[in-house]
Amino acid sequence: GIQVEQSPPDLILQEGANSTLRCNFSDSVNNLQWFHQNPWGQLINLFYIPSGTKQNGRLSATTVATERYSLLYISSSQTTDSGVYFCAVVRSGGYQKVTFGTGTKLQVIP
Amino acid sequence: GAGVSQSPRYKVAKRGQDVALRCDPISGHVSLFWYQQALGQGPEFLTYFQNEAQLDKSGLPSDRFFAERPEGSVSTLKIQRTQQEDSAVYLCASSPDSTGTSFGPGTRLTVT
Repeated sequence: GIQVEQSPPDLILQEGANSTLRCNFSDSVNNLQWFHQNPWGQLINLFYIPSGTKQNGRLSATTVATERYSLLYISSSQTTDSGVYFCAVVRSGGYQKVTFGTGTKLQVIP
Repeated sequence: GAGVSQSPRYKVAKRGQDVALRCDPISGHVSLFWYQQALGQGPEFLTYFQNEAQLDKSGLPSDRFFAERPEGSVSTLKIQRTQQEDSAVYLCASSPDSTGTSFGPGTRLTVT
């Protein structure tokens, strides 16, 4: 099956700092999403981004499908950004089975 | 509109008991998925339905796990003779097509 690796696995930021999270995947995809799992376990969809760049407030994401990676940018981080960020992909040619990455655990400290 | 809902949110079962977990997908969503998330891990695929047809159950860990979606909407994941290793959060997700998947809040199962 498709492999999805995320880096870094853990990240501690001072409030107000910026960060970049990376997702590498091993095969062609026709769907890529970034999720934030909050401390209560809810998976919140941040971006549906199989290619290109999108921005939503302090967050933005870029996927370069031909090079099989995606980046999530967090600017001016806040304590509420803490949690685990997952990249999740759907391999091309398949149905909508979502394969999750290994996750990045982010802690933003005041 | 309403998102994916799951019930119960929390379930404690004694080892050996049977449990049933319910998922109400977003209305009109054809695809429905079940995932299992162990503590500190990412979600792992269990099974997939397209309407009422179970097209992939390759992720079900044993024959104690059974899922159904008889009318193509609500789905139930049943675990028979629960074991401690079944303790996890069970996530349900639905999708209309290729535009992304929405997840429910999950059911946290603890087997004692």
